[in-house]
Amino acid sequence: GEDVEQSLFLSVREGDSSVINCTYTDSSSTYLYWYKQEPGAGLQLLTYIFSNMDMKQDQRLTVLLNKKDKHLSLRIADTQTGDSAIYFCAESISGYALNFGKGTSLLVTP
Amino acid sequence: EAGVAQSPRYKIIEKRQSVAFWCNPISGHATLYWYQQILGQGPKLLIQFQNNGVVDDSQLPKDRFSAERLKGVDSTLKIQPAKLEDSAVYLCASSFRQGYSTDTQYFGPGTRLTVL
Repeated sequence: GEDVEQSLFLSVREGDSSVINCTYTDSSSTYLYWYKQEPGAGLQLLTYIFSNMDMKQDQRLTVLLNKKDKHLSLRIADTQTGDSAIYFCAESISGYALNFGKGTSLLVTP
Repeated sequence: EAGVAQSPRYKIIEKRQSVAFWCNPISGHATLYWYQQILGQGPKLLIQFQNNGVVDDSQLPKDRFSAERLKGVDSTLKIQPAKLEDSAVYLCASSFRQGYSTDTQYFGPGTRLTVL
């Protein structure tokens, strides 16, 4: 499939907010996902948003969706060192495989 | 609830050897996926099963890769013979049922394959 684009690296200080951006490709995507991957581990589902929504909040996580621009963002409030990981944006049409970006490596410094 | 199980976690083989990976999805999940994740990239789909039938294997290199899910539960992915470029993490994922609103995919820990 076509590429889902993400910036490769982000560094923030502990306690600040992190914003990870993603541009997806398919305007007919039904769901958009954020997954977290820690070193040596599989992918952990963080949150997802249905394409008819423009915002979803889940504790420290806020997802914003701009369908016109095919832009998705993940905001992590009060970022902690345990949030250091690779974050993947993914799109899917309901019931089919996920199309992932290359991942954004988030480094949280004390 | 138990998650997606995979084994082995690590495997090192020489090129031209064969290797097999095993996956046990979350109980009750009808859809099973195998993804290949090369270092520095996002996962790419290899094959998708719905119960024991293949939904999509268009990205599976069929000259060397094969996969099966005989009883609609566990699945195995085989590579024969392996090439250097097959070094990657092989991720298995499952979801409740294709086409449902609850078709969120849950991933196993992966098998890290190194081909020397």
